[in-house]
Amino acid sequence: GENVEQHPSTLSVQEGDSAVIKCTYSDSASNYFPWYKQELGKRPQLIIDIRSNVGEKKDQRIAVTLNKTAKHFSLHITETQPEDSAVYFCAASFWDSNYQLIWGAGTKLIIKP
Amino acid sequence: GAVVSQHPSRVICKSGTSVKIECRSLDFQATTMFWYRQFPKKSLMLMATSNEGSKATYEQGVEKDKFLINHASLTLSTLTVTSAHPEDSSFYICSARAGSSPLHFGNGTRLTVT
Repeated sequence: GENVEQHPSTLSVQEGDSAVIKCTYSDSASNYFPWYKQELGKRPQLIIDIRSNVGEKKDQRIAVTLNKTAKHFSLHITETQPEDSAVYFCAASFWDSNYQLIWGAGTKLIIKP
Repeated sequence: GAVVSQHPSRVICKSGTSVKIECRSLDFQATTMFWYRQFPKKSLMLMATSNEGSKATYEQGVEKDKFLINHASLTLSTLTVTSAHPEDSSFYICSARAGSSPLHFGNGTRLTVT
């Protein structure tokens, strides 16, 4: 079955700098890769996602890149702000009728003022 | 946008009692709902997948007799933790999906068993 690895587990960056979180997946059949942001005690919120038919997607300060050959995808946050501090989860899925997400272990992002 | 409502947000119960958690899709019909358990500082652990009108599919290691899931309608799924024990204390989150749309999560339920 699918296995998703996420690195680093903790990332501390200076406010204004960029942050990059990386994930690898094992099942080449996976074709949908969302990223979720979760603040303490709250629900995960979808921040960006990418399908396997594109290599990059951007939404303001957030971008996701996908390398299907290497089976890895990354989240890029530019010009980080204090409110970006949270735990970020990547996930992989085969976009079928049941759509079960396989989750990464999470990355705690700390933005230092 | 799509809203998933989960209740209660917090519950404290005594050991041996049962607790029911509700997950409702407020503005869409959820063909599939998922129930997760999350330990502190850990990722979401899928417990079961629930399709309306059929029995839930439980993940390996999840006791179906302890965690009863009912998905009686396209807008409501319930998770009942039966005979709760302190080790069942955790954060439980549901998510719902309509057709090929992305997942939408409930706010989660913090269960504390004393």
